[in-house]
Amino acid sequence: AQSVSQHNHHVILSEAASLELGCNYSYGGTVNLFWYVQYPGQHLQLLLKYFSGDPLVKGIKGFEAEFIKSKFSFNLRKPSVQWSDTAEYFCAVNVPLNTNAGKSTFGDGTTLTVKP
Amino acid sequence: EAQVTQNPRYLITVTGKKLTVTCSQNMNHEYMSWYRQDPGLGLRQIYYSMNVEVTDKGDVPEGYKVSRKEKRNFPLILESPSPNQTSLYFCASSNHTGPGTTGELFFGEGSRLTVL
Repeated sequence: AQSVSQHNHHVILSEAASLELGCNYSYGGTVNLFWYVQYPGQHLQLLLKYFSGDPLVKGIKGFEAEFIKSKFSFNLRKPSVQWSDTAEYFCAVNVPLNTNAGKSTFGDGTTLTVKP
Repeated sequence: EAQVTQNPRYLITVTGKKLTVTCSQNMNHEYMSWYRQDPGLGLRQIYYSMNVEVTDKGDVPEGYKVSRKEKRNFPLILESPSPNQTSLYFCASSNHTGPGTTGELFFGEGSRLTVL
């Protein structure tokens, strides 16, 4: 079964700092990869996704992520964070040919706090 | 507007009193799933459904039941709630039920349940 590991549980940054959140997964085959964001008091929503093609994917609000297959990684980046990026971020992996084809396995989440 | 709707959003109940959390989606998605979110544990899948009348256990199914009589609805049933089921619950749906699709999850707003 697949698993997801997020390296940082809590990250604190000042506005305009650069962000990189680590995500590694364990699965030897083809995967779909996702980052979801959960703003305080809200539900999860998709930030960006990768399923094929260019390994550098761009999402909403200036976020991007790079899929490095050899490292089983899908790190999230943003060059300059804003106070409004304060949220919890979840990395998720989905195995498209699995019998539970819709199952996304989530990491434990990283709480990002951006200080104004 | 495409959405996943959960009710109730907040509920305080007592041990042993049966309750149902409803979930409805208007996107004609085949796949639906329930997750619970607990601090430090991320999101864990409770049950999922690949289609009408097809349901299966996720990672933490104990104490829960589900049904899928119609495509749009996927209620979560707690027959005899216990305090360890105090949690934030999310329903999600996806059009991913086979190879070649992306498996992006659309989440409801969440239902915060407290069992005394």
